[in-house]
Amino acid sequence: DTAVSQTPKYLVTQMGNDKSIKCEQNLGHDTMYWYKQDSKKFLKIMFSYNNKELIINETVPNRFSPKSPDKAHLNLHINSLELGDSAVYFCASSQDRNSVYGYTFGSGTRLTVV
Amino acid sequence: QKEVEQNSGPLSVPEGAIASLNCTYSDRGSQSFFWYRQYSGKSPELIMSIYSNGDKEDGRFTAQLNKASQYVSLLIRDSQPSDSATYLCAVNGGVTGGGNKLTFGTGTQLKVEL
Repeated sequence: DTAVSQTPKYLVTQMGNDKSIKCEQNLGHDTMYWYKQDSKKFLKIMFSYNNKELIINETVPNRFSPKSPDKAHLNLHINSLELGDSAVYFCASSQDRNSVYGYTFGSGTRLTVV
Repeated sequence: QKEVEQNSGPLSVPEGAIASLNCTYSDRGSQSFFWYRQYSGKSPELIMSIYSNGDKEDGRFTAQLNKASQYVSLLIRDSQPSDSATYLCAVNGGVTGGGNKLTFGTGTQLKVEL
């Protein structure tokens, strides 16, 4: 069983479209995250949820909207996609909001906007 | 000033040599430090965590932490071609909205040559 699973793995879409990425973890962790990794491999945090509560909301265009229906799931919806949104998006989870023991990452979603 | 800095490399070492990867961080309140390994096209994988000053060894890997100098390093002994990857330094700090987050460096690309 995959600990943190993301779908889809690849997403190619046209500018202006709306798309969603889904993430699920079976580790029993309380906290989940979305990170964006650009072409230079820099990982930047976007959002974090702790037990369905939004606790970190970095400076991200409001076209990006996360949703956590329960603590095992975290989805990311992106409206009006732009070329600059092309990147790899990683979901991650940690035992609790303090992330003392680090994260477990999902396999990533490679988003290409054309 | 970047919060977590790493030399992007590539760092090339011959097989069997010791690879030394370095990282500095700016937040003096940081408490937890991590090294992740990321193969091309894959997700980051946690390989070492360190919480107190000094050395921590795990197999061929040794993490070193010096909080006074705000410096953390990773040594890989007997480097193998399979160690060729990007190594990401991550620091737990920056409480945002009630939660901690990991801040990542841009990674050092390691190449182990036959």
